[in-house]
Amino acid sequence: DVKVTQSSRYLVKRTGEKVFLECVQDMDHENMFWYRQDPGLGLRLIYFSYDVKMKEKGDIPEGYSVSREKKERFSLILESASTNQTSMYLCASSAGVSGGYTFGSGTRLTVV
Amino acid sequence: GIQVEQSPPDLILQEGANSTLRCNFSDSVNNLQWFHQNPWGQLINLFYIPSGTKQNGRLSATTVATERYSLLYISSSQTTDSGVYFCAVRSNDYKLSFGAGTTVTVRA
Repeated sequence: DVKVTQSSRYLVKRTGEKVFLECVQDMDHENMFWYRQDPGLGLRLIYFSYDVKMKEKGDIPEGYSVSREKKERFSLILESASTNQTSMYLCASSAGVSGGYTFGSGTRLTVV
Repeated sequence: GIQVEQSPPDLILQEGANSTLRCNFSDSVNNLQWFHQNPWGQLINLFYIPSGTKQNGRLSATTVATERYSLLYISSSQTTDSGVYFCAVRSNDYKLSFGAGTTVTVRA
């Protein structure tokens, strides 16, 4: 089974901090994704990457950046955390254009 | 982008009951998945089913791609089936678009 591992389950950060959320997958998938989930707003795509060093903006990229230096790792960066970035962050990977997605266990980030 | 509508939004079941969740989508797709989100927030993949019928234990799913809908069946429901069920579809790009989910509560 594909494993997608997110480095932290719960995280509390202060406003203005630089925050790194890490995601690692072990099945050599080309595609990796970052979503955030908020009550009433559902799951929204922040960024995705279809290859090493490649990245594409999703629906809500403002305030975020990403890094993919190795195929198995996709990092989400909050350059200066704000309280409106308090959310559940979900990482996923997939193979090819039509392959199924596998999600990590999520990171609940609270910015105070 | 593709619109995904799930119904009903909420479902309350007595343990042992059967139920059907529906997902309608607005365009042709090359990927459709059903997920269950557990109380800890993790999205568990139930089915990858862009077309046809699949079964896994008490759960089964059917997608009729030509009519742009999918159904998820839960038989003999158990309290552990509680949670939010999401349908998600993918067209010719990389993006997976999610429905709003169906919240299922199974009472003992």
